[in-house]
Amino acid sequence: QQQVKQSPQSLIVQKGGISIINCAYENTAFDYFPWYQQFPGKGPALLIAIRPDVSEKKEGRFTISFNKSAKQFSLHIMDSQPGDSATYFCAATHYSGAGSYQLTFGKGTKLSVIP
Amino acid sequence: DTGVSQDPRHKITKRGQNVTFRCDPISEHNRLYWYRQTLGQGPEFLTYFQNEAQLEKSRLLSDRFSAERPKGSFSTLEIQRTEQGDSAMYLCASTSRENEQFFGPGTRLTVL
Repeated sequence: QQQVKQSPQSLIVQKGGISIINCAYENTAFDYFPWYQQFPGKGPALLIAIRPDVSEKKEGRFTISFNKSAKQFSLHIMDSQPGDSATYFCAATHYSGAGSYQLTFGKGTKLSVIP
Repeated sequence: DTGVSQDPRHKITKRGQNVTFRCDPISEHNRLYWYRQTLGQGPEFLTYFQNEAQLEKSRLLSDRFSAERPKGSFSTLEIQRTEQGDSAMYLCASTSRENEQFFGPGTRLTVL
């Protein structure tokens, strides 16, 4: 059962454009939603995160929009740059009851920003 | 560099051999996670430590896998009798809070 569905699988955006990646979740117990950026051969790096009591969070060129009733959230990258070319993962977590806040990841979106 | 470190970065082994990976978390972080990432997929949770206690294990962690975190510092993940299906990137993450997990660079395992 895939608890976090991510789309699109790949995305090509021109430099200066807006990149939009969408995620949907099923488990209403999720209460923390981070986005990670991963470059080839590297581990995921935390980019920005949101909790469901907030509808939007902005950090620099990165914005998360959150729709609790629809169980959807999205990442917007404004003024996309070639250096943003990477794979982006949405994730979700909640207290497992056994001690952990394990992350459940989407399958990732490979973003290519072309000059 | 005060981030999470992992060793080795790459490991090639033959089917049936045992391998061990090491993770050194950020020094003040008491929570440590192991994940596995296969090509084209997001990371999947394997196991969780709080200090030296292993509190949670995923169904993905078969009995050929064992993890330890002696003294609540570094952690090791051992895979016995490796299989080709074990080929993946093994990621370690640490945190001092409930969330905000910080990942290391991973160990890429190739089983021939």
